[in-house]
Amino acid sequence: SQQGEEDPQALSIQEGENATMNCSYKTSINNLQWYRQNSGRGLVHLILIRSNEREKHSGRLRVTLDTSKKSSSLLITASRAADTASYFCATDGSNYQLIWGAGTKLIIKP
Amino acid sequence: KAGVTQTPRYLIKTRGQQVTLSCSPISGHRSVSWYQQTPGQGLQFLFEYFSETQRNKGNFPGRFSGRQFSNSRSEMNVSTLELGDSALYLCASSPGSGNQPQHFGDGTRLSIL
Repeated sequence: SQQGEEDPQALSIQEGENATMNCSYKTSINNLQWYRQNSGRGLVHLILIRSNEREKHSGRLRVTLDTSKKSSSLLITASRAADTASYFCATDGSNYQLIWGAGTKLIIKP
Repeated sequence: KAGVTQTPRYLIKTRGQQVTLSCSPISGHRSVSWYQQTPGQGLQFLFEYFSETQRNKGNFPGRFSGRQFSNSRSEMNVSTLELGDSALYLCASSPGSGNQPQHFGDGTRLSIL
């Protein structure tokens, strides 16, 4: 079942601009993860944020988590053409299973 | 360390046939999860194996099955293929629990004619 809901479904921006994607979920979590998927490839883990953390950084990525609103955001600063990909959030579900959102398709225009 | 390897990368089958897909996890990883990805349904969880035991199963018909060997390599099998089974099948491994960051292979693209 899908728990995470990303928005927007698609985002097109100019190279150099910042891109923000959001993820909402329904049940309480222990952690939330973000992944990137380039066309036709597998997913790549970007960042994991625990429920007791509010913000986490990794290079040009910044993830925030608001457990009261059951939402998370992924910010990519100074976007590059190579950032063109689909981005997914995943929350920890029961029985060792991750629950995935439908993804945001990000297009960076040169 | 070598990444997750899935074979074959592409496969074309016809309705009614069966297919077996293979996944070699990262060395030392004991958990292997399988997903089906389609444009309309997104990423759908099939099942997860840990130390040769299926720990969790998604909402798929019994035509979809899997197994894990003692070296953690995993296979999934789909019998009596249907047109709707056309998808990208992804395998992911992690050291332990499926809730940990997962390392994905590039998938097997299955097309049913």
